[in-house]
Amino acid sequence: DQQVKQNSPSLSVQEGRISILNCDYTNSMFDYFLWYKKYPAEGPTFLISISSIKDKNEDGRFTVFLNKSAKHLSLHIVPSQPGDSAVYFCAASKMDSNYQLIWGAGTKLIIKP
Amino acid sequence: DSGVTQTPKHLITATGQRVTLRCSPRSGDLSVYWYQQSLDQGLQFLIQYYNGEERAKGNILERFSAQQFPDLHSELNLSSLELGDSALYFCARSQGRNQPQHFGDGTRLSIL
Repeated sequence: DQQVKQNSPSLSVQEGRISILNCDYTNSMFDYFLWYKKYPAEGPTFLISISSIKDKNEDGRFTVFLNKSAKHLSLHIVPSQPGDSAVYFCAASKMDSNYQLIWGAGTKLIIKP
Repeated sequence: DSGVTQTPKHLITATGQRVTLRCSPRSGDLSVYWYQQSLDQGLQFLIQYYNGEERAKGNILERFSAQQFPDLHSELNLSSLELGDSALYFCARSQGRNQPQHFGDGTRLSIL
């Protein structure tokens, strides 16, 4: 049972343009969502999070949007830079699970020069 | 710097063996989490410790066990190893509930 889904295994975007990474979830009890970036041979690095009481959170070039009715969240990166090339994971948690993170399978983002 | 140190970085061993992976979080972070990432998969939550006590269990096999010591470092013990246990094992720390987890660089375990 895959509760968090990232349906695009990879995404290629021109440098300077917007990158949009998508994530769908099935469990309406999730109340906290996070995005992580992962380079090869390194651990995931926290990027940005959003609570279910909000629909948008912004941090510099990164914005996360949450659509609870559609059970969908997205990460926007603008402008995209070469260093953004990495695998991006979305993760979700819920209070009654002691905030265990449930992870998507990841999307590999490639920024083309 | 994630504030999490994992050792060793790489471990190669044979089926049937037992290994111990170590995680040292930043001082003061009471929560430690262990994850497994198999090839091209997402991370699978294994187990969480909070201030020395087991707090939550995920998809952790009975052959695996963990503990957190008074200095808050944690160890993940994997026994009777099978080929399918080959994976990256990550440790993460957190300052508390609804706080992001911060990850170490993992231990790559290869079973031959």
